[in-house]
Amino acid sequence: DTGVSQNPRHKITKRGQNVTFRCDPISEHNRLYWYRQTLGQGPEFLTYFQNEAQLEKSRLLSDRFSAERPKGSFSTLEIQRTEQGDSAMYLCASSAGQGSSPLHFGNGTRLTVT
Amino acid sequence: GDSVTQMEGPVTLSEEAFLTINCTYTATGYPSLFWYVQYPGEGLQLLLKATKADDKGSNKGFEATYRKETTSFHLEKGSVQVSDSAVYFCALSVDNFNKFYFGSGTKLNVKP
Repeated sequence: DTGVSQNPRHKITKRGQNVTFRCDPISEHNRLYWYRQTLGQGPEFLTYFQNEAQLEKSRLLSDRFSAERPKGSFSTLEIQRTEQGDSAMYLCASSAGQGSSPLHFGNGTRLTVT
Repeated sequence: GDSVTQMEGPVTLSEEAFLTINCTYTATGYPSLFWYVQYPGEGLQLLLKATKADDKGSNKGFEATYRKETTSFHLEKGSVQVSDSAVYFCALSVDNFNKFYFGSGTKLNVKP
């Protein structure tokens, strides 16, 4: 179990630019989740995948956000035309998706939009 | 809808003091309940869990009991250490673990 890996750890970008984050889940986990966390708040659900299928998206996920998990392994989250309000910690988590499987989180990618 | 409410922080305690962080939930079905901990600069780590009523989750001296009658899952520790300083999140999952909902977190500061 090498844990959930997220890259980059930090990203600073100018408003209007596109950014892409990557998440590598625990290898045997078939569920992958993206959350967003702002200062002083708990994680807010964005979207999740069962294998390569994106099963649910939060209404927080505007049209500028897109996530993929092309081969059911790693996932990418892209934000187009970034806005200052997008500044947050983006967390990825994975789970085995059965029984009482909890979420296993990565260390997150902190996005700052200037 | 499904949600979690936990006590606001920060909570400041002296080392070896008793800790309670309150958590209550609202859920349409039969949720599983979790406590996660987040140390500075790190991601959330599972601390403990309970999957049905009256279950007690425990880990590293922390305990929480799933109380269906009061819809609560309060976190307790008999003697806190400086190293326990972190943010603690209560969470629930529903719908066969498809969805997880988190509270807003409670920051714990333990002073020597």
